[in-house]
Amino acid sequence: GAVVSQHPSRVICKSGTSVKIECRSLDFQATTMFWYRQFPKQSLMLMATSNEGSKATYEQGVEKDKFLINHASLTLSTLTVTSAHPEDSSFYICSARADTYYGYTFGSGTRLTVV
Amino acid sequence: GQNIDQPTEMTATEGAIVQINCTYQTSGFNGLFWYQQHAGEAPTFLSYNVLDGLEEKGRFSSFLSRSKGYSYLLLKELQMKDSASYLCAVRDDKIIFGKGTRLHILP
Repeated sequence: GAVVSQHPSRVICKSGTSVKIECRSLDFQATTMFWYRQFPKQSLMLMATSNEGSKATYEQGVEKDKFLINHASLTLSTLTVTSAHPEDSSFYICSARADTYYGYTFGSGTRLTVV
Repeated sequence: GQNIDQPTEMTATEGAIVQINCTYQTSGFNGLFWYQQHAGEAPTFLSYNVLDGLEEKGRFSSFLSRSKGYSYLLLKELQMKDSASYLCAVRDDKIIFGKGTRLHILP
């Protein structure tokens, strides 16, 4: 149990376009989901906390108008990278708070390349 | 503030034992995770400690001392496939990750 599906796994987009990444909890309801970004050879940096039915909470330095988060249902959170630029190329990973003993499970990640 | 420290890189030999240390200073604490991450992949859960002491799971063990803000991950009988990054992460109301330790295994 406690599986999180993230889609797409890889995406290449042109500079200036927008990309949407989906994170779904498949067999549980996730009132809270988290979005991380990881640059090459660096660790995961928390971008924002996504709460179902309310506005996301962004970490310091993360532009809320550029990284739009929508958590409209208990099983789906989306991250939209708007007007993407090459410096947004990164590995984006979502995580959901689950009812396991350790409480969190991760999606498989999305490799975004902006050309 | 939040601070999680672990060595940047370590090298060990196949068949040997390696210990990866992690120290943390965080505003809250509800548990400590260790994750394994191979290049280009999402992290894989290894262990979760919420109480002091040693948790053993096969070749991997994790230790926690809350009073010292210290944890370690112990890997025994190292295999080449253990070459990866190992991430220490602290749980408060969210999970904050350390920078990770890249472990290189030599034959």
